[in-house]
Amino acid sequence: GENVEQHPSTLSVQEGDSAVIKCTYSDSASNYFPWYKQELGKRPQLIIDIRSNVGEKKDQRIAVTLNKTAKHFSLHITETQPEDSAVYFCAASILNDYKLSFGAGTTVTVRA
Amino acid sequence: SAVISQKPSRDICQRGTSLTIQCQVDSQVTMMFWYRQQPGQSLTLIATANQGSEATYESGFVIDKFPISRPNLTFSTLTVSNLSPEDSSIYLCSVVPGDQETQYFGPGTRLLVL
Repeated sequence: GENVEQHPSTLSVQEGDSAVIKCTYSDSASNYFPWYKQELGKRPQLIIDIRSNVGEKKDQRIAVTLNKTAKHFSLHITETQPEDSAVYFCAASILNDYKLSFGAGTTVTVRA
Repeated sequence: SAVISQKPSRDICQRGTSLTIQCQVDSQVTMMFWYRQQPGQSLTLIATANQGSEATYESGFVIDKFPISRPNLTFSTLTVSNLSPEDSSIYLCSVVPGDQETQYFGPGTRLLVL
C-alpha cells in the first residue's frame, strides 16, 4: 500500500516568516495530494490539494508544489500568523479511489 | 461542501462492551469512510462504507471488531466491539460529495475505554 512520510514533525516559526512542510510518497499510482489542517480538538479541514497533472497550486498565503518524478510534495505557508498554529497532515490517494493515506503530521507553532 | 454530524461526540466505555457511532450527512454522498485517529497520531483508514453491501476493510481491520452499516446514501454506523483500552481513539467519518473530489471529515467521536 501507499506509504507517506512527512517532515518535520514539529516546526516553530516567527510570525511573518514562512513555513515549509515536506512529504514523500511511495506509490507512483497516487495522483491526488490534499493537505489538512487540524486544530486542537477539531476535525481535519482541507486547506489545499493538488492533482498530478499540475506542479504547483496557490491559494492566498498557501501553496503546494509537486514533483512527480521524485515523488514528493510540499506545503508552503507565507507570512505566517498565530492562527496558522495547528497540526498539518499531508495525504495521498488515487483519484476516484478516495482512500487517503496520511503522513504522520507536523505541529506548527507560530510565535508572536 | 457537506454538513456532517456524528453521535456521540464522546463516550467513556468499559472494556468488553461495544460502542456504535453514527454518521449523518445532509446530502446524498457516494463515498463514505471511517478513520481512526489514535491519541497524538495521524489518521488511519478503517474501511469504506458501501451502500447496500458489506464494507471494504483495510489491512489490520476486521468486520468482527468494526462492523459497519450503510443503509442509505446519507447515513452510516461504525461499531467498535469488545472494547479494550487500546481502542481509545477518535473515530471520524468522512464523505466525498457526488459532484466533488474533496473529502470532508465529520467532527469525530472521542472514545475512552477504561
